[in-house]
Amino acid sequence: GESVGLHLPTLSVQEGDNSIINCAYSNSASDYFIWYKQESGKGPQFIIDIRSNMDKRQGQRVTVLLNKTVKHLSLQIAATQPGDSAVYFCAENVNTDKLIFGTGTRLQVFP
Amino acid sequence: DGGITQSPKYLFRKEGQNVTLSCEQNLNHDAMYWYRQDPGQGLRLIYYSQIVNDFQKGDIAEGYSVSREKKESFPLTVTSAQKNPTAFYLCASSIQGGITEAFFGQGTRLTVV
Repeated sequence: GESVGLHLPTLSVQEGDNSIINCAYSNSASDYFIWYKQESGKGPQFIIDIRSNMDKRQGQRVTVLLNKTVKHLSLQIAATQPGDSAVYFCAENVNTDKLIFGTGTRLQVFP
Repeated sequence: DGGITQSPKYLFRKEGQNVTLSCEQNLNHDAMYWYRQDPGQGLRLIYYSQIVNDFQKGDIAEGYSVSREKKESFPLTVTSAQKNPTAFYLCASSIQGGITEAFFGQGTRLTVV
């Protein structure tokens, strides 16, 4: 069935290093993807999005890469900071009317 | 300030009782969603609504009900038929369903004892 999943449930990085969080999706018809950040006990916050007519999009310290050939999405965070510690979700637009979320990856930043 | 508001933040109910979670948005968004999140898990879609007076089941609708009588409101009722209702419930809204960014509320943590 349709699914959005993540390869790594937990990612530990040293402060200042770059982080890469991966996501695989199975619906080849999906045309819109979002990355969210969720801190403990709070609702998810939008980080960056990308449409299927693009393969890369950059924000402030974040870059999303989309590889439609292998149905893979990644979030790169440059110079990771302690405040980046959270759970990161990718979400996929399905049938243009709903967003389906992946399982999530916990990012832990250590000094 | 514009935003999406969920209330209450924490809710305790006895087993067998129905409970309604509130979600209000003043963003003038057409689409609204309810997700359930269990500890250490992702978000699972319960119900969503693209427009007033219309809503569709998500992946885990059993034991839940919703209404969309007003554009700004999308309450979720957790019924006694829901076998494991204790969870973190998140409401979201978007300008257009699925193809635009969804904004989330801060969630309601429901505990059934």
